[in-house]
Amino acid sequence: DAKTTQPPSMDCAEGRAANLPCNHSTISGNEYVYWYRQIHSQGPQYIIHGLKNNETNEMASLIITEDRKSSTLILPHATLRDTAVYYCIVRVANTNAGKSTFGDGTTLTVKP
Amino acid sequence: IAGITQAPTSQILAAGRRMTLRCTQDMRHNAMYWYRQDLGLGLRLIHYSNTAGTTGKGEVPDGYSVSRANTDDFPLTLASAVPSQTSVYFCASGQGALETQYFGPGTRLLVL
Repeated sequence: DAKTTQPPSMDCAEGRAANLPCNHSTISGNEYVYWYRQIHSQGPQYIIHGLKNNETNEMASLIITEDRKSSTLILPHATLRDTAVYYCIVRVANTNAGKSTFGDGTTLTVKP
Repeated sequence: IAGITQAPTSQILAAGRRMTLRCTQDMRHNAMYWYRQDLGLGLRLIHYSNTAGTTGKGEVPDGYSVSRANTDDFPLTLASAVPSQTSVYFCASGQGALETQYFGPGTRLLVL
């Protein structure tokens, strides 16, 4: 699975959009981009995933560049409860479960 | 629906003792995972199982063993605990072509 690079930390004002970047320059054609988040002391929580097209759900939007070498997770109206560590992962779908690695993620702090 | 449960919630263990961390899911997911998360760091995969009856090694398998006798249960055993195994342990399961992972609440283990 491709390696990902994320900034270690970011701040965002409450009510503003939080844009979290992720670089995955070695991504291959059949690898999906997944985002999870981990609120302090809890288990990670799935947010969204995508392959090529931009995706949106009730939690966030995922923007994937045309060359698929980077992506951005957007929380449109960040709240204090969105303070968490956000993990970007790329992996091939429906394959060996051993291919499942999380990096150190981005710590997002939403400030009042 | 309980999802994934882990037991115990926390444990203090003397070095050299044997310990089994329990993980049970009620979603009938094929794949299950064990991760450890050291303070301030991301998750590292210890062992995984693609389906009942099969297991595999992740990034950091040394000192741990797992079994997958049925779909629902995936216990993690520390045969002889050492202080470096002090960590938070998360169990997860996944299903389907895109295999989104669902995490348990974690077990906090302190080895003295």
